[in-house]
Amino acid sequence: DSGVTQTPKHLITATGQRVTLRCSPRSGDLSVYWYQQSLDQGLQFLIHYYNGEERAKGNILERFSAQQFPDLHSELNLSSLELGDSALYFCASSDGQVYNEQFFGPGTRLTVL
Amino acid sequence: AQTVTQSQPEMSVQEAETVTLSCTYDTSESDYYLFWYKQPPSRQMILVIRQEAYKQQNATENRFSVNFQKAAKSFSLKISDSQLGDAAMYFCAYRKYGNKLVFGAGTILRVKS
Repeated sequence: DSGVTQTPKHLITATGQRVTLRCSPRSGDLSVYWYQQSLDQGLQFLIHYYNGEERAKGNILERFSAQQFPDLHSELNLSSLELGDSALYFCASSDGQVYNEQFFGPGTRLTVL
Repeated sequence: AQTVTQSQPEMSVQEAETVTLSCTYDTSESDYYLFWYKQPPSRQMILVIRQEAYKQQNATENRFSVNFQKAAKSFSLKISDSQLGDAAMYFCAYRKYGNKLVFGAGTILRVKS
């Protein structure tokens, strides 16, 4: 158990819908990273938050957004869902120091029908 | 942009034997970290081993060791005394200090009994 929790574990929805994925980092970790794992794109970095502020963006679609709240949990919002958004979404947290191993949550499996 | 290449989509090894997974990367940075992650059928991302680029000594963790060739930008993983529980997808990953992880496409490792 990495100490990072993600909810829900599975999510099935229809095209055009909007969903929210939630991540709670390890206690004390200030950084949250979101990654997407899909069959065609592999594992890709989406976005990084540190102590409530966005630090870096990767290949994140405009239909996707994220935020990190004062209690440090983070949410990834996916809207106008398409079939191609079906993937495993991981959250990882770290303590934000120079050497900051990223601890991965169990992921949320999103299926768009 | 940094890239990570895993040229072996799939590898097989006999139980108790040794197998080496290959990884090359491209970067213009001199300071960075390299990782091997294991993803079993549960889909959990598990850190296997890490290597700091400034360290010449190759990292080892029990049956897992790496061959880090900085000039050649090569970072292979050797698994000794392979066990059935080693069967998984293995990802090589690169990270600059405090930055996102960049993953390779992964290598599926099958262990035969």
